[in-house]
Amino acid sequence: GAVVSQHPSRVICKSGTSVKIECRSLDFQATTMFWYRQFPKQSLMLMATSNEGSKATYEQGVEKDKFLINHASLTLSTLTVTSAHPEDSSFYICSAREPLGDQPQHFGDGTRLSIL
Amino acid sequence: AQSVSQHNHHVILSEAASLELGCNYSYGGTVNLFWYVQYPGQHLQLLLKYFSGDPLVKGIKGFEAEFIKSKFSFNLRKPSVQWSDTAEYFCAVIFPKDKIIFGKGTRLHILP
Repeated sequence: GAVVSQHPSRVICKSGTSVKIECRSLDFQATTMFWYRQFPKQSLMLMATSNEGSKATYEQGVEKDKFLINHASLTLSTLTVTSAHPEDSSFYICSAREPLGDQPQHFGDGTRLSIL
Repeated sequence: AQSVSQHNHHVILSEAASLELGCNYSYGGTVNLFWYVQYPGQHLQLLLKYFSGDPLVKGIKGFEAEFIKSKFSFNLRKPSVQWSDTAEYFCAVIFPKDKIIFGKGTRLHILP
């Protein structure tokens, strides 16, 4: 069945580094992908909606210059955390749905980001 | 291996019917549990969550869920559904080391 692949699964890096997370739809085309963030002991928080070929739609309070989203193709969306700081440490997860018909939602396995 | 299963992939009910959606997980230790709803074309929204305490959790829009540890279950319920409850419902479980796994989702269609 359709799968969403998220890479890397875990990143540990120094403060000030920029980190790119990829979200790929492996056997379907996704015009829309969602990026979520989860803090420990809390529920998922929507960060932005990634739209193929256009600018992402960010939720209130999410810094678009900090969290750069690029949806350059129908199978790939990337989230880049620029100049990451320890407070950016979190679990990031993407999701995508096939655009046509009544298709199921698919989630990536998530990326654990740890900023030292 | 840790896993989350939602038994019903598609559920069709009439308005005012009672709803129960099943969610089971496989893991013998402590977990955190969530139910999310996704309306057509929209992102996930939190319905309710369980971390500890009273195993009967009340959420938004009249939903509730009961954590039964002995059955590794966290079923979602609503006594009387409305047409506006038509959506997709996801159970999610956080395992140790903050690993989150989603169920496959249940499509709920409410007939007016």
